[in-house]
Amino acid sequence: AQSVAQPEDQVNVAEGNPLTVKCTYSVSGNPYLFWYVQYPNRGLQFLLKYITGDNLVKGSYGFEAEFNKSQTSFHLKKPSALVSDSALYFCAGRGRDDKIIFGKGTRLHILP
Amino acid sequence: IAGITQAPTSQILAAGRRMTLRCTQDMRHNAMYWYRQDLGLGLRLIHYSNTAGTTGKGEVPDGYSVSRANTDDFPLTLASAVPSQTSVYFCASSEGLAATDTQYFGPGTRLTVL
Repeated sequence: AQSVAQPEDQVNVAEGNPLTVKCTYSVSGNPYLFWYVQYPNRGLQFLLKYITGDNLVKGSYGFEAEFNKSQTSFHLKKPSALVSDSALYFCAGRGRDDKIIFGKGTRLHILP
Repeated sequence: IAGITQAPTSQILAAGRRMTLRCTQDMRHNAMYWYRQDLGLGLRLIHYSNTAGTTGKGEVPDGYSVSRANTDDFPLTLASAVPSQTSVYFCASSEGLAATDTQYFGPGTRLTVL
């Protein structure tokens, strides 16, 4: 069965420190992977996606994600966290059947 | 450019009542989607449409129906609401149904069924 997993319900990071939000996937065929962010009382906003090519993908607001085929992971990263990065983050993936699958979300708290 | 608009923003509904959630996009996207978001479950696809005139079932379609009379509008109807349909509902669109297409989301409708 295809799946996208976010193993951490919540991540706490001090402002200015690097942050990582984890995502692992199991999809058939070539994986197409996405990260979305949701601020309170808002819809999801697209951050970045991996289709093919360079394993390091750069996205909005200084975020980047690294595709690792051997570990079937697509972790979201940022070198220096801001308090305004506090939000709910969703990893999503699409496999051969083109059905998008969302992870359950990780709540990121940046502590001032 | 508004992107995707949803109405109402929130609604409290008595069980057994009929309710239609509205969704309109101005991006001329071919594909549209309805998701529900529940705590601990993430987003689950209810129905989708890959072009005007066609619809398909997602992961949790029971109790919901959709129509796609034109490119811009994709209403979601609850024929007879039940408390388990209390959720936040998001409409989304993408240029097509290709696996590489990015989805764009509306602001959501918070529905409470009593």
